Amino acid sequence: EDQVTQSPEALRLQEGESSSLNCSYTVSGLRGLFWYRQDPGKGPEFLFTLYSAGEEKEKERLKATLTKKESFLHITAPKPEDSATYLCAVQAYDSNYQLIWGAGTKLIIKP
Amino acid sequence: NAGVTQTPKFRVLKTGQSMTLLCAQDMNHEYMYWYRQDPGMGLRLIHYSVGEGTTAKGEVPDGYNVSRLKKQNFLLGLESAAPSQTSVYFCASSKTAAGENTEAFFGQGTRLTVV
Repeated sequence: EDQVTQSPEALRLQEGESSSLNCSYTVSGLRGLFWYRQDPGKGPEFLFTLYSAGEEKEKERLKATLTKKESFLHITAPKPEDSATYLCAVQAYDSNYQLIWGAGTKLIIKP
Repeated sequence: NAGVTQTPKFRVLKTGQSMTLLCAQDMNHEYMYWYRQDPGMGLRLIHYSVGEGTTAKGEVPDGYNVSRLKKQNFLLGLESAAPSQTSVYFCASSKTAAGENTEAFFGQGTRLTVV
């Protein structure tokens, strides 16, 4: 069964304290892995798509990496405005293009 | 540029009542989706559409119906609301479903409570 697990459920950091969020997945064949950011009371906002192991993408203080079993979202020197819930989703080749979503990691950056 | 717009933003229904959630996108996207989001769970796909006039079932379609009469609109109907349908509903659209441009654009959500 296709499955996506995100950890930790919640993460509190001080401003400037770098860390990583994890997305572990089990799919028959990975078509793509997606990262989204969701602010309270809003819809998810797209961040990255990764397609193959070894691929990396960066955007400001965020860098996403992908292996055959998991993806990491690295946050370097975060600021309070990076506080949000980060969602991971995967698309498998046999999924009819549907996404399987993780429950998310709630990130809180304290000033 | 409005993107994806959902109406209403909030709604309270009594058990057994029906309602329709409206989603409109102005990006000329072919693909549209309805998800529900519940605490501690990932987004779950209810129904989706791969183009005007088409609909397909997602992971949790029971108790819901959809229609895509116009390319820009995707309607989600609840036939007879149940407390288990209390959730936040998100509409999304994307240009494609695989490869490049698969990123989905989401509306701001509809918070539905069924009492």
